[in-house]
Amino acid sequence: GDSVTQMEGPVTLSEEAFLTINCTYTATGYPSLFWYVQYPGEGLQLLLKATKADDKGSNKGFEATYRKETTSFHLEKGSVQVSDSAVYFCALSAPGTYKYIFGTGTRLKVLA
Amino acid sequence: KAGVTQTPRYLIKTRGQQVTLSCSPISGHRSVSWYQQTPGQGLQFLFEYFSETQRNKGNFPGRFSGRQFSNSRSEMNVSTLELGDSALYLCASRPIRTDTTEAFFGQGTRLTVV
Repeated sequence: GDSVTQMEGPVTLSEEAFLTINCTYTATGYPSLFWYVQYPGEGLQLLLKATKADDKGSNKGFEATYRKETTSFHLEKGSVQVSDSAVYFCALSAPGTYKYIFGTGTRLKVLA
Repeated sequence: KAGVTQTPRYLIKTRGQQVTLSCSPISGHRSVSWYQQTPGQGLQFLFEYFSETQRNKGNFPGRFSGRQFSNSRSEMNVSTLELGDSALYLCASRPIRTDTTEAFFGQGTRLTVV
């Protein structure tokens, strides 16, 4: 079945460091891909999305490119801030299923 | 525009009881889905409704059920609660029928079963 694999956390970085969170997926067909972020005590907020191969999603300095050849959707940010500390979830939605399949989440901690 | 509203935010129930959680989607959104979040299993899909019809269901026992009303509001019910049902239950709404549109999540209902 469809699945999403994320790198294990937690990831601890100093402020202004470069961030990469790896995400790979397995799916039949052409899913849409998403990154969501969850702050403590909150629900999920959409960070960015890509709906077809080679699309690049971007928001708030975060970027991810839909790579069909490597079935990947890695999240990157050039310079993280303390306020980026949260749990990040990679997800896919396959056509016709009306649901998300989430990765296990990666906790990011940014130190001042 | 108001976001997805889930009520209540917190619940404590006893094993064997039943519980009903409520979700009001963003105005105009007709698709509502539910997810269970636990430390051990992560985020798992429960079910999705569109125009009062369930279009997909996750791999959960029949104790978990849901419905959607004509105003798109949705409820989920868990009967005969077990300790393992303790979780954060998240509701999400989408504006249209396709899978490419993102879902907007509520803050969740934290259910504790004792």
